[in-house]
Amino acid sequence: DAGVIQSPRHEVTEMGQEVTLRCKPISGHDYLFWYRQTMMRGLELLIYFNNNVPIDDSGMPEDRFSAKMPNASFSTLKIQPSEPRDSAVYFCASRRRGPEAFFGQGTRLTVV
Amino acid sequence: DQQVKQNSPSLSVQEGRISILNCDYTNSMFDYFLWYKKYPAEGPTFLISISSIKDKNEDGRFTVFLNKSAKHLSLHIVPSQPGDSAVYFCAATGNFGNEKLTFGTGTRLTIIP
Repeated sequence: DAGVIQSPRHEVTEMGQEVTLRCKPISGHDYLFWYRQTMMRGLELLIYFNNNVPIDDSGMPEDRFSAKMPNASFSTLKIQPSEPRDSAVYFCASRRRGPEAFFGQGTRLTVV
Repeated sequence: DQQVKQNSPSLSVQEGRISILNCDYTNSMFDYFLWYKKYPAEGPTFLISISSIKDKNEDGRFTVFLNKSAKHLSLHIVPSQPGDSAVYFCAATGNFGNEKLTFGTGTRLTIIP
């Protein structure tokens, strides 16, 4: 299995632009998580899905952030409009029922 | 409100000695705990876990200890090797692993050759 696949690996965009991060979970995993890594808060959960349905989006910072999971093999995290404080590494992770989640390699987002 | 805390941002240990990484939690509903290891430019990878029904779990050079009364867990690495240099994240969850993972801020471990 190729593992969790995220794209792009790096994204540099100007403030005010729309940014879309993409994730393909491991086949057969029915939970998908979006995390953001910052120095101050470590790995911060933004939102997670179970069987393509959003379960908890309480970590989404504000309305500029949205996430979708149209099918079991694809999810997107969108920021519109982007701001410099959104600069971070964004991780997608997936798992079956049980605690161990498998992470992708992350997308490093820089908003200038 | 940080429910999982790793109060040491960094730690340096001589190769061959013991590395001890600490983690504290505040939520009494947490009953399953995990350690993840992260190298630069890679995603975190699972290292070892422990359920609240145990107080120790060992896997090769890695041992995790859980003190439920103190809401504290620690990861021991013996002996430490240069390849252990990484950022270590502590994570906690409830319902014996079936809830979302809540992570700490991480500890950067550097093994000095």
